[in-house]
Amino acid sequence: AQSVTQLGSHVSVSEGALVLLRCNYSSSVPPYLFWYVQYPNQGLQLLLKYTTGATLVKGINGFEAEFKKSETSFHLTKPSAHMSDAAEYFCALGRSGSGNTGKLIFGQGTTLQVKP
Amino acid sequence: DVKVTQSSRYLVKRTGEKVFLECVQDMDHENMFWYRQDPGLGLRLIYFSYDVKMKEKGDIPEGYSVSREKKERFSLILESASTNQTSMYLCASSFTGELFFGEGSRLTVL
Repeated sequence: AQSVTQLGSHVSVSEGALVLLRCNYSSSVPPYLFWYVQYPNQGLQLLLKYTTGATLVKGINGFEAEFKKSETSFHLTKPSAHMSDAAEYFCALGRSGSGNTGKLIFGQGTTLQVKP
Repeated sequence: DVKVTQSSRYLVKRTGEKVFLECVQDMDHENMFWYRQDPGLGLRLIYFSYDVKMKEKGDIPEGYSVSREKKERFSLILESASTNQTSMYLCASSFTGELFFGEGSRLTVL
């Protein structure tokens, strides 16, 4: 069965520090992987996605993620945190057999706190 | 920009009431979704629709039904609301695999 696990429900960093949010997945087929962000009282918006090709994916707002098949990971990073990055982040996996429909399996979410 | 609009941001209902959550998208997307978001559980798929009048159960369909009479509109129905359906409900649409979300409807069932 497919699954997504985000390690750490809360992550706290200082402004200017490296952001690292961890995501591991389980899939018997080549995965489509996504990171979404949810700001308070808003819906989710796409940060970046990996389908095929280059394993280092760049997204919006300076975020990037690296697909590592050997480690079944898709960790999200940003070199320097900004106060506006405080939000909840979700890693998601495309369901096998769903093609490109958008049917995703979401992780539990990680709340990022940025301290001044 | 794609816009997904959910009709109600906040609702308070009583146990046993019938509840309608409405969602409209303006990008002519084939696929629409209803997810439920609960703390520590992430988002869970309730129902999925891939065309008008076509629907597919997600992971947690019990206690819910859906309606898609027009391509742009996807409704979630709670036939008889229960307290364990208190949650945030998110509608989304998709064409190429990327989900576009509405702002959510926070439902409280008393």
